[in-house]
Amino acid sequence: QSVLTQPPSVSEAPRQRVTISCSGSSSNIGNNAVNWYQQLPGKAPKLLIYYDDLLPSGVSDRFSGSKSGTSASLAISGLQSEDEADYYCAAWDDRLNGPVFGGGTKLTVL
Amino acid sequence: QVQLVESGGGVVQPGGSLRLSCAASGFTFSSYGMHWVRQAPGKGLEWVAFIRYDGSNKYYADSVKGRFTISRDNSKNTLYLQMNSLRAEDTAVYYCAKHSGHDYGDALDYWGQGTLVTVSS
Repeated sequence: QSVLTQPPSVSEAPRQRVTISCSGSSSNIGNNAVNWYQQLPGKAPKLLIYYDDLLPSGVSDRFSGSKSGTSASLAISGLQSEDEADYYCAAWDDRLNGPVFGGGTKLTVL
Repeated sequence: QVQLVESGGGVVQPGGSLRLSCAASGFTFSSYGMHWVRQAPGKGLEWVAFIRYDGSNKYYADSVKGRFTISRDNSKNTLYLQMNSLRAEDTAVYYCAKHSGHDYGDALDYWGQGTLVTVSS
């Protein structure tokens, strides 16, 4: 059972927009930044969004993040087949002194 | 460019030990905290341990506390994970990851390719 809650899967057609939710608590999302990671099949995770809504250099602006209270969301617009991956939210947890992850959301581009 | 290369994975019997290494390059290793994160087959990411830039503080997930030890050698730009009393449920790909810092949301901004640890008799 993951500390942060994400839907197990989402699917949408190419060129459409999809959102992935992430729910936590006051000890993690409520008090710390949310980060999102993309894991392509068979690959290591890659930082996608940091500090709630910032994009690392080289990440497409089709990706965006937001946060409100103890919940966060990742949005992907203009879906492409190459976006098919697992997406994980994460936030520092003040009780663990380490990051907690969501269970991951598998994105299927129909 | 930042590179993190893990090694040391393999097959080990339950109750056995293994030491993982992570060789870092492309950044000032001694200035950043480092993490170990694992992923069981077909499962999600699980944080394992974190060590501050100078090794002064170490933190562990409850699932490994008392069995695993994270350490680093800043003169060798290398991170370690000593794993003792291994159990079947420790079977996973183990990733080392660089900590970005609090000003960057405490994100893990670079990851290695991972090394597979299999605990089986």
